[in-house]
Formats: sequence, C-alpha cells, structure tokens
Amino acid sequence: EAGVTQSPTHLIKTRGQQATLRCSPISGHTSVYWYQQALGLGLQFLLWYDEGEERNRGNFPPRFSGRQFPNYSSELNVNALELEDSALYLCASSGGTVGQPQHFGDGTRLSIL
Amino acid sequence: SQKIEQNSEALNIQEGKTATLTCNYTNYSPAYLQWYRQDPGRGPVFLLLIRENEKEKRKERLKVTFDTTLKQSLFHITASQPADSATYLCALRGAAGNKLTFGGGTRVLVKP
Repeated sequence: EAGVTQSPTHLIKTRGQQATLRCSPISGHTSVYWYQQALGLGLQFLLWYDEGEERNRGNFPPRFSGRQFPNYSSELNVNALELEDSALYLCASSGGTVGQPQHFGDGTRLSIL
Repeated sequence: SQKIEQNSEALNIQEGKTATLTCNYTNYSPAYLQWYRQDPGRGPVFLLLIRENEKEKRKERLKVTFDTTLKQSLFHITASQPADSATYLCALRGAAGNKLTFGGGTRVLVKP
C-alpha cells in the first residue's frame, strides 16, 4: 500500500513569492492534514480537510490556505512568503472513522531566500 | 494554554536495555494519545495509539501507558537496538477536533 506522497521534495522561493505544495493521501483516506515543522518550534497544526471541506485551522495567518480535491488529494498554498515560512511542511492522512491515526508523508522542505 | 512536555535532553542508552520516554501534559483532556518516530529529514512514522480509557498498549518491543490522572504517558522500548535511534514524538488529540498537538520530541541514541 502506497503511503502519503508529497511533492515537491524541496522548494526554493524568495520573499513575496507564492508556493504551492501538493499531497496525495493513502488510498481510502478522506481526511488530509497539514503541519509545519520549523526549526526549534516543533510540529504545528495548519489545516484539516475532510470530504473537500476545511474542518479546522491552526493559528496561522490567512496567507496560508489550501483545498482538497474530489480525489482527496490536497494543495497547500502560501502567499506573500516570508523568511520565517522556511520549514518542513508535512501532510498526513487518516481514514474517516473516528479515532484513526494520522499517517505522514516525508514533507516538502520550503526554503525562503 | 495547552502544554505537552517531553524530555528535551537526548536519551543515551546501551543496546539491549529498556528506553523509557515521558510525555506530560497540562490544560488538556485528550481522547487519544499517539506516539511517532521521526528520523532526520523524514516525516513522523506512526507507532502506537492509546485511548483515554486504555491503560496500556503493546506492539512488539514497544509499550505505552496512559495515566489520565497523572496526565502522563510513558513509552518503553525494550531490548533496544541501534536501529531504534531516532526522535520520538508524543501527540495528543481531543475528542472533538482531529488536529494533533505535538510535544517537542525526545532524541534516543542506542549505543552498541
């Protein structure tokens, strides 16, 4: 069974640009989650999508947004990039049943120059 | 505010011994507690999930306990091996939302 896949692996941008990160969940999983892992800050929850709808949002500014497609894959968009957005962005997926664990991909390393 | 604490100091342990990691939390009533392993440059790998009404869970050489009175979980790796060297993350989840709140992780180094 294929795990959660994310693309690209690495992304280099400059301040003010926009970044798009992509995630394909495990087959059969309907929920997708996005987390940010910045150096020294640990994993921080960003967004949760389920059945195409945004269900919950972490304490991040509106320039962090995303969507979930009918095939349950997801996109994270970050506008007006700032230096502090440099981090590993992790996507996770889980099944629709309550209490299912989240399984993570290996992330996209976003570097802002 | 919610706080999850894991020992930030690395745990150095001899091969074959049992490693015990601690996860303490405050201002939180989690419905589930999950443990993950993370290697450098990789995403977290799910290890074990324990529910609030469960005291203990085992999987092969791994054991997790959950004490909602003490607000603490212990994670044990028995018969540790150098391949167990990694950072171990504790994550809590409430009953309502699905977001995970993570501790800072504990790095484990198993020496041969």
